Amino acid sequence: GAVVSQHPSRVICKSGTSVKIECRSLDFQATTMFWYRQFPKKSLMLMATSNEGSKATYEQGVEKDKFLINHASLTLSTLTVTSAHPEDSSFYICSARLGTGHEQYFGPGTRLTVT
Amino acid sequence: EDQVTQSPEALRLQEGESSSLNCSYTVSGLRGLFWYRQDPGKGPEFLFTLYSAGEEKEKERLKATLTKKESFLHITAPKPEDSATYLCAVQAWGGTASKLTFGTGTRLQVTL
Repeated sequence: GAVVSQHPSRVICKSGTSVKIECRSLDFQATTMFWYRQFPKKSLMLMATSNEGSKATYEQGVEKDKFLINHASLTLSTLTVTSAHPEDSSFYICSARLGTGHEQYFGPGTRLTVT
Repeated sequence: EDQVTQSPEALRLQEGESSSLNCSYTVSGLRGLFWYRQDPGKGPEFLFTLYSAGEEKEKERLKATLTKKESFLHITAPKPEDSATYLCAVQAWGGTASKLTFGTGTRLQVTL
């Protein structure tokens, strides 16, 4: 139980284009999903908290117009990186909270490379 | 501001050589402390949640303990398949609901 998937697992895009990453909870409904970014040998940094049916809450320093988050259903949240630049290259990981519990279950991550 | 510090940064053990990983934390009010395992190129895999000082949890060769300032992840008789990065995270009461603050992890390598 508590399986979270992400698609795609890897994506390469050209500078200036937009990329959409999907995060799905496969066997449970997630009212809250989270988006993280991880640099090599660094900690996971929370980018935003996504609640179903409402606007995402962004962490300080994260540009909400650049990283668009949509949580249209209880099993799907999407992160769109708009006008991507090489500095946006990173490992993006989503997580979902099971019910009202405290644990977060993570997806396998998406490696984004912007050329 | 919540902070999590993990040590050592890297640890190399021989198969069967038990050891402990440390997670020191400062948080305004601890709601929960979490341990995750992360393999290269993968997302973190949930291991344990600890809520109060004195609490212990076990899973196979792993045992997590918690005090008011730190948590330990004890690995007993490790095997090569235990090689991974182990992440510690804290969740505080108040603020952004469910926000996790992560440490930078301990990279564990278990050799034959």
